[in-house]
Amino acid sequence: EAGVAQSPRYKIIEKRQSVAFWCNPISGHATLYWYQQILGQGPKLLIQFQNNGVVDDSQLPKDRFSAERLKGVDSTLKIQPAKLEDSAVYLCASSLVRSSYEQYFGPGTRLTVT
Amino acid sequence: AQTVTQSQPEMSVQEAETVTLSCTYDTSESDYYLFWYKQPPSRQMILVIRQEAYKQQNATENRFSVNFQKAAKSFSLKISDSQLGDAAMYFCALGGISGGGADGLTFGKGTHLIIQP
Repeated sequence: EAGVAQSPRYKIIEKRQSVAFWCNPISGHATLYWYQQILGQGPKLLIQFQNNGVVDDSQLPKDRFSAERLKGVDSTLKIQPAKLEDSAVYLCASSLVRSSYEQYFGPGTRLTVT
Repeated sequence: AQTVTQSQPEMSVQEAETVTLSCTYDTSESDYYLFWYKQPPSRQMILVIRQEAYKQQNATENRFSVNFQKAAKSFSLKISDSQLGDAAMYFCALGGISGGGADGLTFGKGTHLIIQP
C-alpha cells in the first residue's frame, strides 16, 4: 500500500512570495490533515478535511493560509504572502475514518522563508 | 484546550539499556487516545505505541511499553534493550475519540533520544 505522498520535499522562497504544497493521501482515506512543525516543536494541526469539507480550521492563519481538497482526494495548502515565521515543516496525514486512532503521515515539506 | 507537556528536551542512554521518556497531558475529555510517535531525521512520523484511555492495561509493543496513569494524567514510554536505530525525536500526542469534534492530534515539544554505543 502506497503511503501519503507530499511534494515538494524542500522549498526556499523569499518573504512576501507565495508557495503551495501538495498532498496525496492513502487511497480511500476520507480524512486529511495538515500540520505545521516549527523547528524544535511538535506538529500543530492547521486544518482537517473530511472528504472535501472542512472539519476544523481553527488554527489556520486565514489571512495568509488557504487549503482546499476539491474532489475529496488530493489537497493543496497555500501561503500568500509568506512571512519569516512560516519557516517550518508542513506535514500531511490521512486516516480511513474520522479518528485520531490511526493517522498516517507523509514525509513532509520543509519550507524556508528568507 | 488540550495540552501535552514533555519536560525532557534530551535523553541519553547506553545501547542495550532501558530508558523512560516522560509525558503529562491535560484534557477535559473522559475518553481519548494517547500516542508516542518517533520522528527520525527523515521527518517521517512513525507510530510507536498507542493507548486507549478507557483501557486500564498498559499497552506494549515488543521493546516499547507505556505507564499510563489516568488520574495523574501521565503517560511515559519505556524503551527496553535500546538499539542504535531507536535514536530519534519522540513525541507524545493526545487525540480525541471519533464521532465527536475534530480529530487532530495535540503534540508535545518532543524528547531527543540519543543512543550511545
